[in-house]
Amino acid sequence: KQEVTQIPAALSVPEGENLVLNCSFTDSAIYNLQWFRQDPGKGLTSLLLIQSSQREQTSGRLNASLDKSSGRSTLYIAASQPGDSATYLCAVGAYSGAGSYQLTFGKGTKLSVIP
Amino acid sequence: DAMVIQNPRYQVTQFGKPVTLSCSQTLNHNVMYWYQQKSSQAPKLLFHYYDKDFNNEADTPDNFQSRRPNTSFCFLDIRSPGLGDAAMYLCATSRDRARAPETQYFGPGTRLLVL
Repeated sequence: KQEVTQIPAALSVPEGENLVLNCSFTDSAIYNLQWFRQDPGKGLTSLLLIQSSQREQTSGRLNASLDKSSGRSTLYIAASQPGDSATYLCAVGAYSGAGSYQLTFGKGTKLSVIP
Repeated sequence: DAMVIQNPRYQVTQFGKPVTLSCSQTLNHNVMYWYQQKSSQAPKLLFHYYDKDFNNEADTPDNFQSRRPNTSFCFLDIRSPGLGDAAMYLCATSRDRARAPETQYFGPGTRLLVL
């Protein structure tokens, strides 16, 4: 059974710092990996999607990498801003025996960017 | 805009009183999912529909049921809510396997409070 772990559980940084969030997974037979953002009491917003054949994806100040063989992904946030404060969830995508695409989530890293 | 809609956003129910949460989508996606997310926890998949085929997760309690009367709508029924069922309930959709890249589109969630 796939398990996804995110470290650290919480992170506090001053505004302007670059930071890295970590995600590890136990089963490397994945289809893709996604990073989501969740604001308090809200749903999930997809940030980046990396296919299993890719090494990284970039969107603005965000860069996500994937090392499938070692079961690791990182989310790099450049020049952090207070608006980046949220919980960041890593999710591994794979196909179930029923043929449906399914996500297995980590518990998330709660990021606080201090002005 | 095409989207995933959940109603209501907040639901208060009494211990043991049946409650129904609803989800609708304008994306015309084949697959619809229901997740339960408790505070500071990873979203946990309860079940999903692939078209009309219902797929229950092995550890989903019998207290949770679902209905999908058509492509656009999916309901989560909690027959006898307990205090431990208080959580955020997230609905998501995804497309048919043949149309990559796969991702899931999430609604804003319904926060359930059990008194």
